[in-house]
Amino acid sequence: SQTIHQWPATLVQPVGSPLSLECTVEGTSNPNLYWYRQAAGRGLQLLFYSVGIGQISSEVPQNLSASRPQDRQFILSSKKLLLSDSGFYLCAWSVSWASAEKLFFGSGTQLSVL
Amino acid sequence: AQTVTQSQPEMSVQEAETVTLSCTYDTSENNYYLFWYKQPPSRQMILVIRQEAYKQQNATENRFSVNFQKAAKSFSLKISDSQLGDTAMYFCAFRSYNTDKLIFGTGTRLQVFP
Repeated sequence: SQTIHQWPATLVQPVGSPLSLECTVEGTSNPNLYWYRQAAGRGLQLLFYSVGIGQISSEVPQNLSASRPQDRQFILSSKKLLLSDSGFYLCAWSVSWASAEKLFFGSGTQLSVL
Repeated sequence: AQTVTQSQPEMSVQEAETVTLSCTYDTSENNYYLFWYKQPPSRQMILVIRQEAYKQQNATENRFSVNFQKAAKSFSLKISDSQLGDTAMYFCAFRSYNTDKLIFGTGTRLQVFP
């Protein structure tokens, strides 16, 4: 069966520090991968998605970047965190596009930038 | 651009009663998919139900059913025989047929009272 791992679960970082959140998927090949952010009291905002290694699409201009060094690994990064980067970050994967396949979410990372 | 609107920030229902959560969306496309996700206090995202736009029949999953009105661009979720475990944040989501992106509404917080 497929599983998705996301870590860390919580993270407290000072403003201006770097960020690296990692997500890995097991039990499937060539998944679509996504990073979402959920700000307090708001819905989920799609940040990045990837349909293959090295293929990253950015949805909104921001202080963050994403990379996919391996087929089932998706990394969210920042060189210098801002206060506005605080939020709950969710990694997700799906089997393929143009279908009604489900989107499977990781357990999330609560990031607090102080 | 597609948008998803959930106009009820909070709802409450008594145990064993029925509650309906509203969702409207805007798109110019004819083929797409709609979803309801549940986010309990654990913050894990759980797929509740999904609907293909080309299907006229409303989707049903046990106590959960939808009222899909394509012309009105409405996609409401009905929870029958509400249980305490249904207490959660509920997100409506839209996915176009030919993209990989899932667009979420801002969510409705549902509280089930004993």
